Amino acid sequence: NAGVTQTPKFQVLKTGQSMTLQCAQDMNHNSMYWYRQDPGMGLRLIYYSASEGTTDKGEVPNGYNVSRLNKREFSLRLESAAPSQTSVYFCASNKQGANTGELFFGEGSRLTVL
Amino acid sequence: LAKTTQPISMDSYEGQEVNITCSHNNIATNDYITWYQQFPSQGPRFIIQGYKTKVTNEVASLFIPADRKSSTLSLPRVSLSDTAVYYCLVGDKNTGFQKLVFGTGTRLLVSP
Repeated sequence: NAGVTQTPKFQVLKTGQSMTLQCAQDMNHNSMYWYRQDPGMGLRLIYYSASEGTTDKGEVPNGYNVSRLNKREFSLRLESAAPSQTSVYFCASNKQGANTGELFFGEGSRLTVL
Repeated sequence: LAKTTQPISMDSYEGQEVNITCSHNNIATNDYITWYQQFPSQGPRFIIQGYKTKVTNEVASLFIPADRKSSTLSLPRVSLSDTAVYYCLVGDKNTGFQKLVFGTGTRLLVSP
């Protein structure tokens, strides 16, 4: 199993450009999450999707939009990138949502905004 | 929102037992406590999860007192490869525990 797959792994943007980070899981999980991690810092929740068709804001949603395209895929979009959005982005999923199971993480997408 | 508090950093030597304590005073009655490990440039990975008393697996033990307001991750006989950041995680009752917010984590450095 591939688990949680994120694309792209690396991306450089100029301020004001837009892009979408893709995330797909093949474990038939209900819940999916997007986190960002700045250098030397902890993980901050951007958005999450408890089930297909639902999305909710996390701690730091400003400047981002998400789409739960289907049960497998959860994308994160930056409409107008800013240098403050330079970070490593992690997608995660778990089977039944809630804090009752293991969160599986992708390898991360490293984004630099110039 | 149930919040967690951990020491920012800890130092240890190879072969020692390391205990990392997490405070979660507002944990909900039916919430679990989960611990993750993160190496540089990687996503966190699950270590152990528990609800009460003691849980043990091949990697670690988790001790949870009766009041559940804290938990302690115990790593027996650490090696250099255990150098990582360790996070404890509890859910947010107001969102049906769906909103999973990580705390600051504990940076463990294991020296020879």
